[in-house]
Amino acid sequence: DTGVSQDPRHKITKRGQNVTFRCDPISEHNRLYWYRQTLGQGPEFLTYFQNEAQLEKSRLLSDRFSAERPKGSFSTLEIQRTEQGDSAMYLCASSSLRDTGELFFGEGSRLTVL
Amino acid sequence: GESVGLHLPTLSVQEGDNSIINCAYSNSASDYFIWYKQESGKGPQFIIDIRSNMDKRQGQRVTVLLNKTVKHLSLQIAATQPGDSAVYFCAETFLAAGNKLTFGGGTRVLVKP
Repeated sequence: DTGVSQDPRHKITKRGQNVTFRCDPISEHNRLYWYRQTLGQGPEFLTYFQNEAQLEKSRLLSDRFSAERPKGSFSTLEIQRTEQGDSAMYLCASSSLRDTGELFFGEGSRLTVL
Repeated sequence: GESVGLHLPTLSVQEGDNSIINCAYSNSASDYFIWYKQESGKGPQFIIDIRSNMDKRQGQRVTVLLNKTVKHLSLQIAATQPGDSAVYFCAETFLAAGNKLTFGGGTRVLVKP
């Protein structure tokens, strides 16, 4: 399967713990995006990378959140000191630089903070 | 499986009928509009897109219509099938701003056999 893959698919953690999600984009894609989705809502943009550079961060991305893409390939999203409000689906997507609006999404990582 | 949305507007349609899903967008500067389909427990899947300089685009069984005057987007699905049951989201983007998508509210489509 050469699509976007995310790991883990599900994570249950206690409030205050740190969690890290990994995304492996489609190999030839330069851009990588992180979104958050809560039940009943559309995905909300968090941040995106072009190669290894993080070009934009949403105001939704508080200081407890950090994302990296050190070699311009896979990316990690870390949430420190998790809160119950962080419970959501974290979606990763990738795209090429060609002139199109299409993003390719992974299956997501579901976070539950108890 | 995971439920995508529990309190979404729902469109119930008989198998074989046509479906029309509507969406209002917010940014008149957006230059691409996209429809995504999301099945329970899965990530959004691209259906069709349309540039802002077009008002209609057709794909396989789907047609997207864009009315920039009233900032309205619609998705028409012909001969709806059980596999079309999902939540549908519209999204807009401004390519010069990194192609990040802004999603609208979703619509759940339920296909009755």
